[in-house]
Amino acid sequence: AQSVTQLDSQVPVFEEAPVELRCNYSSSVSVYLFWYVQYPNQGLQLLLKYLSGSTLVKGINGFEAEFNKSQTSFHLRKPSVHISDTAEYFCAVRIGGQKLVFGQGTRLTINP
Amino acid sequence: DSGVTQTPKHLITATGQRVTLRCSPRSGDLSVYWYQQSLDQGLQFLIQYYNGEERAKGNILERFSAQQFPDLHSELNLSSLELGDSALYFCASSVGGGLETQYFGPGTRLLVL
Repeated sequence: AQSVTQLDSQVPVFEEAPVELRCNYSSSVSVYLFWYVQYPNQGLQLLLKYLSGSTLVKGINGFEAEFNKSQTSFHLRKPSVHISDTAEYFCAVRIGGQKLVFGQGTRLTINP
Repeated sequence: DSGVTQTPKHLITATGQRVTLRCSPRSGDLSVYWYQQSLDQGLQFLIQYYNGEERAKGNILERFSAQQFPDLHSELNLSSLELGDSALYFCASSVGGGLETQYFGPGTRLLVL
């Protein structure tokens, strides 16, 4: 069965510092990977996705992620965070073109 | 604003009751997905409909059912409610049933007392 593991439940960082949110997946078939962000009291918004092609994927709000097949990882990075990036981030894998399987989420807290 | 609307925003009810959550997809989207977000289970896929037909099923309880109507809006029916059903229920929609981006609604927060 496919699964997604987000290795950190909470990540505190200072404003303007870089951040990496880690995500590992397990799957025996081709995977399609996504990062979603959930701001307080809001729904989920797609940050970026990997379907095929270049393993470095750029998304909105300055985020990017790298697909690493050998390490089965899809870590999310941003070189310099802002207070407005405070949110919960979810890594997800799409199975068979249908359902999304989500990780448990990582709460990113930005300190001034 | 994703273009997906959900009503109501909040719902408070008692154990044993039945509620209906409603979702209107983005204009032109044929697929609707339902997800449940709770503290202990995280974000879980419940069910998908594509153009009125059930396409995929996830961890949906037998007490729960859903349907998609000819105008493509969808309803999630939750019956014999238990305390553990308290959660945030999201609807998402996409153009087709494949790898297109899913756009999420703001959710319905259900509290069962």
